[in-house]
Amino acid sequence: EAGVTQSPTHLIKTRGQQATLRCSPISGHTSVYWYQQALGLGLQFLLWYDEGEERNRGNFPPRFSGRQFPNYSSELNVNALELEDSALYLCASSLGTEQFFGPGTRLTVL
Amino acid sequence: AQKITQTQPGMFVQEKEAVTLDCTYDTSDQSYGLFWYKQPSSGEMIFLIYQGSYDEQNATEGRYSLNFQKARKSANLVISASQLGDSAMYFCAMRDDYKLSFGAGTTVTVRA
Repeated sequence: EAGVTQSPTHLIKTRGQQATLRCSPISGHTSVYWYQQALGLGLQFLLWYDEGEERNRGNFPPRFSGRQFPNYSSELNVNALELEDSALYLCASSLGTEQFFGPGTRLTVL
Repeated sequence: AQKITQTQPGMFVQEKEAVTLDCTYDTSDQSYGLFWYKQPSSGEMIFLIYQGSYDEQNATEGRYSLNFQKARKSANLVISASQLGDSAMYFCAMRDDYKLSFGAGTTVTVRA
């Protein structure tokens, strides 16, 4: 069974640009979670999607947004990139209790 | 709000020995779940073990076991017979309603 996949693996952008990160959950999982792991800040919850709807979001500005598609894959968009957005962005999928993570997208903002 | 505390920033362990990683938590909920994840240098978070607050037995998964002491609000991870491939960052996490709240992590380095 394929695990959670994320693309791209690495992404380099400059300040002010937009970044789009993609996530495909484990087959059959309907919930997708996004987390940010910035240096020195640990893992922070960003967004939760379930059955195509945004269910909750963490303490992040509105320029962090996303969506979930009918096949349960998800997209995270970060607008007006700032230097401090540089981080590893992890996606996780879940059907119940455990959350299974993908390999992450490492975003670097120059 | 729930809080996870991992007080050991880094640990060294000799190959084939056991290592215990500390985790304490704070919650007012009666029902909760505790998780341990491993994060190698590649970045992927690998699920290791889960303990439910109502589980009477300590969770065990292969070389991983969770020493759950509910009254002390601790959920320590024990890795037995350490291998070089166990070198990684280890995170304790608690399910906070819909999301996971993570501790700061402990870096484990296994020495040959």
